[in-house]
Amino acid sequence: AQSVAQPEDQVNVAEGNPLTVKCTYSVSGNPYLFWYVQYPNRGLQFLLKYITGDNLVKGSYGFEAEFNKSQTSFHLKKPSALVSDSALYFCAVRDMGSNYQLIWGAGTKLIIKP
Amino acid sequence: DTAVSQTPKYLVTQMGNDKSIKCEQNLGHDTMYWYKQDSKKFLKIMFSYNNKELIINETVPNRFSPKSPDKAHLNLHINSLELGDSAVYFCASSQGQRGDNEQFFGPGTRLTVL
Repeated sequence: AQSVAQPEDQVNVAEGNPLTVKCTYSVSGNPYLFWYVQYPNRGLQFLLKYITGDNLVKGSYGFEAEFNKSQTSFHLKKPSALVSDSALYFCAVRDMGSNYQLIWGAGTKLIIKP
Repeated sequence: DTAVSQTPKYLVTQMGNDKSIKCEQNLGHDTMYWYKQDSKKFLKIMFSYNNKELIINETVPNRFSPKSPDKAHLNLHINSLELGDSAVYFCASSQGQRGDNEQFFGPGTRLTVL
């Protein structure tokens, strides 16, 4: 079965330190992978996606993600965290079935402490 | 010039009532979605329409009925509301139905059933 996992419910990082939010996936074929961010009481916002090409994908707000096929991972990273990065982050993978819906992870709450 | 808008933002109602949530997108997208986000922040696809045609209909009680009068609008009508329907409902849109383009989310409608 196709799935995506975000193994950490919460990640705590000090401001200015690098951050990583983990995501692993299980799909047949080549994955289409996405990261979205949800700020409190807001809808989700697209950050970045991997479809094909360079394994390092750059996105909005200084975020990037590295696609690792051998480890079936797509971890979200940022070199220097800001307090304003505190939010809920969702990883998603496209369902390779007939309807192409997104399969969503459970979300990781990122807390950046000043 | 909100890209994806939903009304109302908050909806408080009694069990057994019928209510509707409206969604409009001005992005020119041809695909629209309804998601339910529960109290634990899990995101679940409910329905998807492409050019007014239903393409995803997940296991949702038939008390929920989506309607797409045109490709810019996707409304959600809920009959006989139950306590378990309390959640935040998000509308989203994207271009194409193959799941390779990012989805744009509305601000959400917080439904509380008393």
